[in-house]
Amino acid sequence: KQEVTQIPAALSVPEGENLVLNCSFTDSAIYNLQWFRQDPGKGLTSLLLIQSSQREQTSGRLNASLDKSSGRSTLYIAASQPGDSATYLCAVNTGGFKTIFGAGTRLFVKA
Amino acid sequence: NAGVTQTPKFQVLKTGQSMTLQCAQDMNHEYMSWYRQDPGMGLRLIHYSVGAGITDQGEVPNGYNVSRSTTEDFPLRLLSAAPSQTSVYFCASSYLGTAAHYGYTFGSGTRLTVV
Repeated sequence: KQEVTQIPAALSVPEGENLVLNCSFTDSAIYNLQWFRQDPGKGLTSLLLIQSSQREQTSGRLNASLDKSSGRSTLYIAASQPGDSATYLCAVNTGGFKTIFGAGTRLFVKA
Repeated sequence: NAGVTQTPKFQVLKTGQSMTLQCAQDMNHEYMSWYRQDPGMGLRLIHYSVGAGITDQGEVPNGYNVSRSTTEDFPLRLLSAAPSQTSVYFCASSYLGTAAHYGYTFGSGTRLTVV
């Protein structure tokens, strides 16, 4: 059974710091991995989608990497800003039309 | 605006009542699904559909029914609400690729409280 873990559960950093959020999964047989952002009381906004054949994806200050063999993905946020404060979730698509979500990392960027 | 629309945004039910959460998308996505989000547990799949007339169970289907009569709509029915169904419910949709899903698009959620 696929399990997705995100560590740490919460993170507080000063503005301007570069940071890395981690996502690990137990079964390397995945179709893709998606990173989402969720603001309090809101829905999920897709940030980056990495197909299983890809190693990384970039969007602005965000860079996501995927290492299937080790069951890991990282989301790198450059030059963090207070507006980046949110919960970040990773989701692994294992085929069979089911996607498994991690519990998320709550990020707080201090001004 | 294109996207996934969920209604209502908030709902309070009494134990034993029934209700339907609505989800509609205008992107012609074949795949639609319902998740519930509980503190510290991430999102868990309730039911999903890969096209009109086709539905299947997810991880936590008990107490919920779904149907898919059109491509656009995927309602979630609570037959007899229980306090354990207090949660935030999200609807998500996606295209079906030949080898893998495209990314999901989520609705803004329905916050349900059962008292």
